[in-house]
Amino acid sequence: EVQLVESGGASVQPGGSLRLSCAASGFTFRSYWMHWVRQAPGKGLVWVSRINYEGTNTGYADSVKGRFTISRDNAKNTMSLQMNSLRAEDTAVYYCARADNLDYWGQGTLVTVSS
Amino acid sequence: QSALTQPASVSGSPGQSITISCTGTSSDVGNYNLVSWYQQHPGKTPKLMIYEGTKRPSGVSNRFSGAKSGNTASLTISGLQAEDEADYYCCSFATSRTFVFGTGTKVTVL
Repeated sequence: EVQLVESGGASVQPGGSLRLSCAASGFTFRSYWMHWVRQAPGKGLVWVSRINYEGTNTGYADSVKGRFTISRDNAKNTMSLQMNSLRAEDTAVYYCARADNLDYWGQGTLVTVSS
Repeated sequence: QSALTQPASVSGSPGQSITISCTGTSSDVGNYNLVSWYQQHPGKTPKLMIYEGTKRPSGVSNRFSGAKSGNTASLTISGLQAEDEADYYCCSFATSRTFVFGTGTKVTVL
């Protein structure tokens, strides 16, 4: 069974940093591109970032470019999102999702940026 | 990276068919056959309903179908059922190797 489990969400002050993790199981992790998607409370889905199989090719939404860094460790079947210079508008549930079809999603982890 | 445009709400009676549009540009929907659709019930995780424009994942009802014409993709739900009441989002691959979601559509079953 495919499982994606996010962790690392917390409440942080503006300008702070946070590192999210996504633990994958039930499939050959290294064979899939992986994504981060976020959803602010009561709002729609927003694509955040994407990483290729080896972690050598990444992409970011303009809103997070230069502040967020996506990475993965295929030996540990995990993906991470390092978030720096956090802003109030980054407040959201962050989901990790598998493949460019986003065919499987985790349950999400809540990030709250507030003073 | 502007969000794809979807109607805010669409409604229909049980048994009817409804169609949700998803309008983008030649930089996303119009240039790639990589449009997917997601269903999200309140408080739940999004579920993939359609991928690559027209393909249905295993386990998704054949009442759901996708299409594309030019810069606009669409999702049709036939034989509307109470359980179909949810939010629906389209998503497309875009230039610069990014992705973009639609604004979301709330489907109400009358």
